Amino acid sequence: DTGVSQDPRHKITKRGQNVTFRCDPISEHNRLYWYRQTLGQGPEFLTYFQNEAQLEKSRLLSDRFSAERPKGSFSTLEIQRTEQGDSAMYLCASSFLGGENTEAFFGQGTRLTVV
Amino acid sequence: AQTVTQSQPEMSVQEAETVTLSCTYDTSENNYYLFWYKQPPSRQMILVIRQEAYKQQNATENRFSVNFQKAAKSFSLKISDSQLGDTAMYFCAVPMIQGAQKLVFGQGTRLTINP
Repeated sequence: DTGVSQDPRHKITKRGQNVTFRCDPISEHNRLYWYRQTLGQGPEFLTYFQNEAQLEKSRLLSDRFSAERPKGSFSTLEIQRTEQGDSAMYLCASSFLGGENTEAFFGQGTRLTVV
Repeated sequence: AQTVTQSQPEMSVQEAETVTLSCTYDTSENNYYLFWYKQPPSRQMILVIRQEAYKQQNATENRFSVNFQKAAKSFSLKISDSQLGDTAMYFCAVPMIQGAQKLVFGQGTRLTINP
């Protein structure tokens, strides 16, 4: 296992289209996190899963966003009716169930451009 | 709510010099961890160093060390003998809640090491 992998790395879409991103965490990790990073800013938390259960969603995650982790392994993040403001890097991270000192491992991200 | 502030948007030093990146934070937690993450250009974010807030001893990882001032809520990162490979964005982060890697990040410092 070489780490957290995200697909695609880049996505250009027209405003109003739906997009879906995939994240494959490190295999033994049961926690998975999604973050959004806009240019020149730090990542912002969106949502996280413990196994297949979505434990929390940020207020940043509008109704157009939905995330799933159906079998407790890979996760998908879907954005419906994309808007230009959705343009950002979407980062996935995973960690082993543990305390707040547990290291999170990040993927390389999916860069979304909405035109 | 936790907040993290990095007041230096950009820094630039010569190779082999020592550089210190600043971070201040606010949290209502009594027991927490603090993290520095590095994000090289077009590569994934990786953990540089972590500090346990209830430990008075500053964490050290090879050329990287922290100066943790709990009362002042300050958590700076010192890089000694800087190398070209240290060129990256550096983010300070604190968990939003105990027991999970749901992180609040600062805005980041872009560090350039010049040959």
